[in-house]
Amino acid sequence: GQSLEQPSEVTAVEGAIVQINCTYQTSGFYGLSWYQQHDGGAPTFLSYNALDGLEETGRFSSFLSRSDSYGYLLLQELQMKDSASYFCAVRDGRDDKIIFGKGTRLHILP
Amino acid sequence: ETGVTQTPRHLVMGMTNKKSLKCEQHLGHNAMYWYKQSAKKPLELMFVYNFKEQTENNSVPSRFSPECPNSSHLFLHLHTLQPEDSALYLCASSQDLGASQETQYFGPGTRLLVL
Repeated sequence: GQSLEQPSEVTAVEGAIVQINCTYQTSGFYGLSWYQQHDGGAPTFLSYNALDGLEETGRFSSFLSRSDSYGYLLLQELQMKDSASYFCAVRDGRDDKIIFGKGTRLHILP
Repeated sequence: ETGVTQTPRHLVMGMTNKKSLKCEQHLGHNAMYWYKQSAKKPLELMFVYNFKEQTENNSVPSRFSPECPNSSHLFLHLHTLQPEDSALYLCASSQDLGASQETQYFGPGTRLLVL
């Protein structure tokens, strides 16, 4: 079956770097997306990786290894406003549906 | 602002009530989605519309009834709900289906409580 695994919670210190991992198991694969959701807010799209390697967008980077069915979101120079939940998502190759992970709650300490 | 609006933002209803959730997107997208978000669960896809036509009904109970009068508007009609239906209901849109689905724009959601 299809599944995505990501840690339920991660804690880091303001100004530091944190990595949120996501492993996936799907029938076929197109790419891995990441979304951010603040409490009470809408999920917002952060990044999409279709090819292996690291994609950088400002303080956020996303990595994909298709051979390992693994990706991560890297957040640098953490700010308090980065406290949110982060979801990975894939499009299943069998039925073309988008599947979301359960989300990783990022806590940032001052 | 993501260009997707939802009303109401909060809703409390009894199990015998009928209510509707509304979603509007101002992005010129062709595909729209309803999701259910419950605590400690992944986002659950409920319905997908593309060019006003329903393309996906993810085994959703009939007490949830979607309506898409045009590509910009999406409704979710609710009737005889159960307390376990209490959740955040999110609307999203994307340019089209296929690869475009992997970049979705979400509304702020309707927080629903069924008593």
